[in-house]
Amino acid sequence: GAVVSQHPSWVICKSGTSVKIECRSLDFQATTMFWYRQFPKQSLMLMATSNEGSKATYEQGVEKDKFLINHASLTLSTLTVTSAHPEDSSFYICSAPVGRQGGLVGNQPQHFGDGTRLSIL
Amino acid sequence: DAKTTQPPSMDCAEGRAANLPCNHSTISGNEYVYWYRQIHSQGPQYIIHGLKNNETNEMASLIITEDRKSSTLILPHATLRDTAVYYCIVQGGSEKLVFGKGTKLTVNP
Repeated sequence: GAVVSQHPSWVICKSGTSVKIECRSLDFQATTMFWYRQFPKQSLMLMATSNEGSKATYEQGVEKDKFLINHASLTLSTLTVTSAHPEDSSFYICSAPVGRQGGLVGNQPQHFGDGTRLSIL
Repeated sequence: DAKTTQPPSMDCAEGRAANLPCNHSTISGNEYVYWYRQIHSQGPQYIIHGLKNNETNEMASLIITEDRKSSTLILPHATLRDTAVYYCIVQGGSEKLVFGKGTKLTVNP
């Protein structure tokens, strides 16, 4: 089945460092990918929609200059947390919809990466 | 905001069927009902989805009421590995998923 690979699975770094997280679709092409953030004991919060070959679309309240998204190919999206601070520590997850299955828009299950646990000291 | 309502938690005995309810009374005609689950410290996993008809796959069954205002996810023989948070999500007209708080299902030995 469709697989989404996310790397790294965890990272610890010092405050002020920029951290890049990769999300790859391994056996399918993804013109769109999604990035989520999840704090402990909370649900996933959609941060942005990554669009291949164009700018990402950010959800309200998400700083686009803080969370840089690049989707340069049909199988890779990257999220860079710039000048990370302790409050950016979280579980970051990406997803990609598998190809349209006909029917209405929305008839597309999404596959998720295993997440990246980011800890900023 | 999520457009679904789920109980915050449920318990189920191992080997028994787990029936997880979801209310989506404001669902539109072009919206699908999706179920995902998230096992602790992992990314969510797709389970099943449907529009109007009941659906079954190797993981679960999805029962959607005739008026489409509610649905039930059925895990026919729950195992300890099914312990997870289960999310019911209504999606249509967009690829975006909006996650609510879900139901924490605990399968007990």
